[in-house]
Amino acid sequence: EPEVTQTPSHQVTQMGQEVILRCVPISNHLYFYWYRQILGQKVEFLVSFYNNEISEKSEIFDDQFSVERPDGSNFTLKIRSTKLEDSAMYFCASSVRDGSGNTIYFGEGSWLTVV
Amino acid sequence: AQKITQTQPGMFVQEKEAVTLDCTYDTSDPSYGLFWYKQPSSGEMIFLIYQGSYDQQNATEGRYSLNFQKARKSANLVISASQLGDSAMYFCAMRGRNAGGTSYGKLTFGQGTILTVHP
Repeated sequence: EPEVTQTPSHQVTQMGQEVILRCVPISNHLYFYWYRQILGQKVEFLVSFYNNEISEKSEIFDDQFSVERPDGSNFTLKIRSTKLEDSAMYFCASSVRDGSGNTIYFGEGSWLTVV
Repeated sequence: AQKITQTQPGMFVQEKEAVTLDCTYDTSDPSYGLFWYKQPSSGEMIFLIYQGSYDQQNATEGRYSLNFQKARKSANLVISASQLGDSAMYFCAMRGRNAGGTSYGKLTFGQGTILTVHP
């Protein structure tokens, strides 16, 4: 069964360092997302990406964050200068289409710990 | 804007019994999708079941069914014949239009319900 894959599964980084989280969405999917989940809290939307551009972003997704699809398969989230409060599980997700009935499938997540 | 409310922080059920996890939502969109995801302790998000706002029948998927009451804006998840492996966090989520009304992009999640299945 096709799945969204994410690397790394866990990363520990020093405050102020840049971090890149990588994702390979399901191959025939066209819409890509990043979500985050701070420990013990609900899942929050960060950004959606379609046709090589951001289609929507939340207020969390400030200038410290960027996304890129550097080739035909990878989708990355970059945090330029990490803060302690960026510690969270980051989920990549994808869906075939944009409609309300299209399921968004999630990867297994990347735990980011900022120390 | 969409809002999802899950009022049960934790639920307990005996193995082999059925359990209902509550979810209410708020939206002004005429067309939307409702989803349930399971998050085990390992952290991944597993899609369980989907209900469309125009679907006449309640969705079912194996032991999972969705009790959809549109007038009450509720979409409760029913798990029949609970198993120990059902112990996890369960999230209700909605996919509706974005603020500009141009796309359905993101999912909005509730706070989640932790389900514990006792042997």
